[in-house]
Amino acid sequence: AQSVSQHNHHVILSEAASLELGCNYSYGGTVNLFWYVQYPGQHLQLLLKYFSGDPLVKGIKGFEAEFIKSKFSFNLRKPSVQWSDTAEYFCAAYSGYALNFGKGTSLLVTP
Amino acid sequence: NAGVTQTPKFQVLKTGQSMTLQCAQDMNHEYMSWYRQDPGMGLRLIHYSVGAGITDQGEVPNGYNVSRSTTEDFPLRLLSAAPSQTSVYFCASSPGTGYYEQYFGPGTRLTVT
Repeated sequence: AQSVSQHNHHVILSEAASLELGCNYSYGGTVNLFWYVQYPGQHLQLLLKYFSGDPLVKGIKGFEAEFIKSKFSFNLRKPSVQWSDTAEYFCAAYSGYALNFGKGTSLLVTP
Repeated sequence: NAGVTQTPKFQVLKTGQSMTLQCAQDMNHEYMSWYRQDPGMGLRLIHYSVGAGITDQGEVPNGYNVSRSTTEDFPLRLLSAAPSQTSVYFCASSPGTGYYEQYFGPGTRLTVT
């Protein structure tokens, strides 16, 4: 089954800094990848998804991710973070009938 | 459209008690899943269903039972609660074959003392 790993468990950034969160998936072939966000006290929201086609995927709230097949990576980026981006971010891969999630990255954006 | 709904939002149980977490969706989705979320562990799949009458185990099924008698409902039963089952539980649904995106409910926060 497809699995994912996230490199950074805790990230602290100042407002306006650029963000890149790492995600690697386990093996090649057809892959369907997602980034979800969970704001404090809330449930999961889909940020963006990649199924096929353009490897640069744009999502909501100014986030984007790049699928790099040669590196088995699907990193999440945002050019300039805001305090409201403080949240937990999860990378996930479709595997069979459900999703396999990474362990998550907790992002704290300081004013 | 209510989407995916879960009840209760919060629950406290004593060790050994049993309970059922409810999950319902009104989108006529074929696939439904239960996950648990623990700090530093991400979300882990407990059980899933690909249609009424069909269920299967995920990564962490021990201590949980599921059944799917209708397309809409997918309850999760804790048979004899243990402190290790303290977690936040999310139910999700997906249209089915060829659709990979999952729609999540708001979660149930369960504490077992």
